Amino acid sequence: KAGVTQTPRYLIKTRGQQVTLSCSPISGHRSVSWYQQTPGQGLQFLFEYFSETQRNKGNFPGRFSGRQFSNSRSEMNVSTLELGDSALYLCASSSGTAPGELFFGEGSRLTVL
Amino acid sequence: AQSVAQPEDQVNVAEGNPLTVKCTYSVSGNPYLFWYVQYPNRGLQFLLKYITGDNLVKGSYGFEAEFNKSQTSFHLKKPSALVSDSALYFCAVRDITGGGNKLTFGTGTQLKVEL
Repeated sequence: KAGVTQTPRYLIKTRGQQVTLSCSPISGHRSVSWYQQTPGQGLQFLFEYFSETQRNKGNFPGRFSGRQFSNSRSEMNVSTLELGDSALYLCASSSGTAPGELFFGEGSRLTVL
Repeated sequence: AQSVAQPEDQVNVAEGNPLTVKCTYSVSGNPYLFWYVQYPNRGLQFLLKYITGDNLVKGSYGFEAEFNKSQTSFHLKKPSALVSDSALYFCAVRDITGGGNKLTFGTGTQLKVEL
C-alpha cells in the first residue's frame, strides 16, 4: 500500500509569491490534515479536510487555504508569501476508524527568500 | 484549551539502558494522547496512543507509555534503548471537540542513544 505522497518535496519562492502544495493520501483514507513545522513554533495544525469539507481549522491567517478533491487528494495554498512561511509542511491522512492515528508524508520544504 | 508539555529538549541515554521521554498534559475531560516519532528529514510516524483502559500502553518498536491521571502524565518508555531509536519524539493530544483528527503537539524531545 502506497504511503502519503507530497509534492513537491522542496521549493524556493520569493516574498509576495504564492505556492500550492499537493498531497495524495493513502488509498481509502478520506481525512487529510496539514501541519506546519518550524524550529521556532514546532508543529502547528493548519486544517483538516474530510470528504471535501473542511472539518477543522487552525489559527493561521487567511493567506493559508486548502481544498480536497473527490478522490481525497488535497492541496494547500499560501498566497503573498512571507519570510516566516518558510517551513516544512506536512500532510497526514487518516482512515477515520482510529481518530488521531495519522499517517504522515515526508513533507514539502518551503523556503521563502 | 488543551495542551501537552515536553519538559526536556534532549534526552541522552546509553544503548541497552532504559529510556524515558516525559510528557504532561492539560485537558478538560478524558484525554486522547499519542506519541509520534520523527526521523531526520522524514514525516512523523505513529508510535502508540491512550484513549481508555489500561494505563500501560504498548506500541511499535518496543515502546510503551504509562498514563498517570493523578500526575497528568503520559511518559514514553523503552526497557532497552537502541542507537536506532535516536530521533525526535512528539507527544500529542487530540482535540475531541472538533470531532476530527486535530492534534496539538508538544515541542518535541530529541532522543540520543549512544554506544
